[in-house]
Amino acid sequence: KAGVTQTPRYLIKTRGQQVTLSCSPISGHRSVSWYQQTPGQGLQFLFEYFSETQRNKGNFPGRFSGRQFSNSRSEMNVSTLELGDSALYLCASSKRTGTGNTIYFGEGSWLTVV
Amino acid sequence: AQSVTQLGSHVSVSEGALVLLRCNYSSSVPPYLFWYVQYPNQGLQLLLKYTSAATLVKGINGFEAEFKKSETSFHLTKPSAHMSDAAEYFCAVSDRYGGSQGNLIFGKGTKLSVKP
Repeated sequence: KAGVTQTPRYLIKTRGQQVTLSCSPISGHRSVSWYQQTPGQGLQFLFEYFSETQRNKGNFPGRFSGRQFSNSRSEMNVSTLELGDSALYLCASSKRTGTGNTIYFGEGSWLTVV
Repeated sequence: AQSVTQLGSHVSVSEGALVLLRCNYSSSVPPYLFWYVQYPNQGLQLLLKYTSAATLVKGINGFEAEFKKSETSFHLTKPSAHMSDAAEYFCAVSDRYGGSQGNLIFGKGTKLSVKP
């Protein structure tokens, strides 16, 4: 069973540019969440999508956005990049069961802003 | 609001010794609790999950955790450390009810070092 797939794994962008990261969830999982991981702030929730609708949103500026497609694949976009956006961006997928969601993470996309 | 506190940002043990990583949570209702492990330059791997079926939860790689409601704790243990256990460990909590089960609140993490 394939896991959560994130692309690209590594990328370098310049301040002011925008970036789009992609996530393919585990087959059958309809919920996709995004997290930002930095040494200073740790792991922080960005947003969650379920059936193409944003269900929850963390405390991030509007430059961070996302969407989910009908096949559950998701993208997140960061516009007007700042140096502080350098981070590991993790995508997670989950499926609700009788014992609640079990959340599985991808390998992440390493973003460096220069 | 929910929160997670992991006591000790770094823990060092000898190979073969007991591993104990501490996690305390704050939640108004019994939450779901998770432990994840992160190896260098990798994503998060689920070790185990508590949902209320049993207070002692067994996970992968010989790890287990015990949910103690009275202490609001969910400490992770392993009887005998192996060199391959060296990694960073994260405790996380999520809502049991409502539509925010995909929203995990993480602790700051504990880096485990294993000495030969």
